[in-house]
Amino acid sequence: KNEVEQSPQNLTAQEGEFITINCSYSVGISALHWLQQHPGGGIVSLFMLSSGKKKHGRLIATINIQEKHSSLHITASHPRDSAVYICAVGGYSGGGADGLTFGKGTHLIIQP
Amino acid sequence: GAVVSQHPSRVICKSGTSVKIECRSLDFQATTMFWYRQFPKQSLMLMATSNEGSKATYEQGVEKDKFLINHASLTLSTLTVTSAHPEDSSFYICSARVPGTGTSGTQYFGPGTRLTVL
Repeated sequence: KNEVEQSPQNLTAQEGEFITINCSYSVGISALHWLQQHPGGGIVSLFMLSSGKKKHGRLIATINIQEKHSSLHITASHPRDSAVYICAVGGYSGGGADGLTFGKGTHLIIQP
Repeated sequence: GAVVSQHPSRVICKSGTSVKIECRSLDFQATTMFWYRQFPKQSLMLMATSNEGSKATYEQGVEKDKFLINHASLTLSTLTVTSAHPEDSSFYICSARVPGTGTSGTQYFGPGTRLTVL
């Protein structure tokens, strides 16, 4: 079973700050997802990546397959970025479950 | 982007009753959908994989006779919580995998259903 660890668990920052959220996992995967969950519970998929780096607007996600580590960065953070950010992995090497295994999430608060 | 809907968004029921939750992929055909559960302050946990036209695959510890899954069409999967009890109160979320994106392909998540069993 894959263990997914996220850090930090909670993060409070000022508007405009550069934010980094980290995710590490224990078993080789074929893809890693970054998700955003708002207070109402709805989940939005931000990125799916299996190598390298992806960028969408102010969000950047990177993954290092060898080190089993991924980071999510938010540039020029804004109060509307306040949410829980969840790392999820799937497609384990050598087969395994189709569904995702989730980290516990990072609760981000951006203060004006 | 693709949209996945869930209905109802919120349900309160009495202990012992059954509750059906629907998950629909609105603009693509999903041969595979997933059902997840999230207890307060905990991470989402996969309950089962729903495959169109075949039996669902349940994760260890999830009772298949209690959580009935039906994936009768390419756009609809249903989860029925039978004889619900207060410990079944949780946030249930479905996701639909985009066909052709592999076993770990793109998944779109529904907005979730908050179930409260009194």
